[in-house]
Amino acid sequence: AQTVTQSQPEMSVQEAETVTLSCTYDTSESDYYLFWYKQPPSRQMILVIRQEAYKQQNATENRFSVNFQKAAKSFSLKISDSQLGDAAMYFCAYSDRGSTLGRLYFGRGTQLTVWP
Amino acid sequence: DAGITQSPRHKVTETGTPVTLRCHQTENHRYMYWYRQDPGHGLRLIHYSYGVKDTDKGEVSDGYSVSRSKTEDFLLTLESATSSQTSVYFCAISRESAHEQFFGPGTRLTVL
Repeated sequence: AQTVTQSQPEMSVQEAETVTLSCTYDTSESDYYLFWYKQPPSRQMILVIRQEAYKQQNATENRFSVNFQKAAKSFSLKISDSQLGDAAMYFCAYSDRGSTLGRLYFGRGTQLTVWP
Repeated sequence: DAGITQSPRHKVTETGTPVTLRCHQTENHRYMYWYRQDPGHGLRLIHYSYGVKDTDKGEVSDGYSVSRSKTEDFLLTLESATSSQTSVYFCAISRESAHEQFFGPGTRLTVL
């Protein structure tokens, strides 16, 4: 079974600084999707960014970017110019592209605190 | 935002009582999922559906059943609630092949 590991239960960053959240995964598949979801105190799960394994280029969405290292099975999220609104729990997730069911496997999350 | 609602949003019940949670979507997506979220565990899949009356078990399905009689509704039932089922429950939907899942607002269930 696929597993997703987030080794940092908590992280903190000063406003306007940059922070990187780590994620590793284990799979025998070669084609898959990776995601970062954000869960603020409102509890709503919000998709932040998505990476397709067959694409070499790292995905970016405004201040959010990923460092995807396929051989190392690593998928880190970089948040630039951190804002107070970035404070949330962040979940890394994996989905097997070959599966039409599209189920997600989640890590346990990293709680990000942003200091003013 | 994807049109997903969950009801109720909060519920407190007693051990041994049946509970049904409802997920309703307006997106006409084929795939629907139920997850539970517990501290230290992230989100874990309970059941999923790939069409009307087509459902299957996830990794933590014991004590839960589901039904999907219409594309827009996916029901999660706890036949006899236990304290270990105290959790936050999320419904999610996805398009045919995009694998991106969009989540409902969650239901906080407390079993006393």
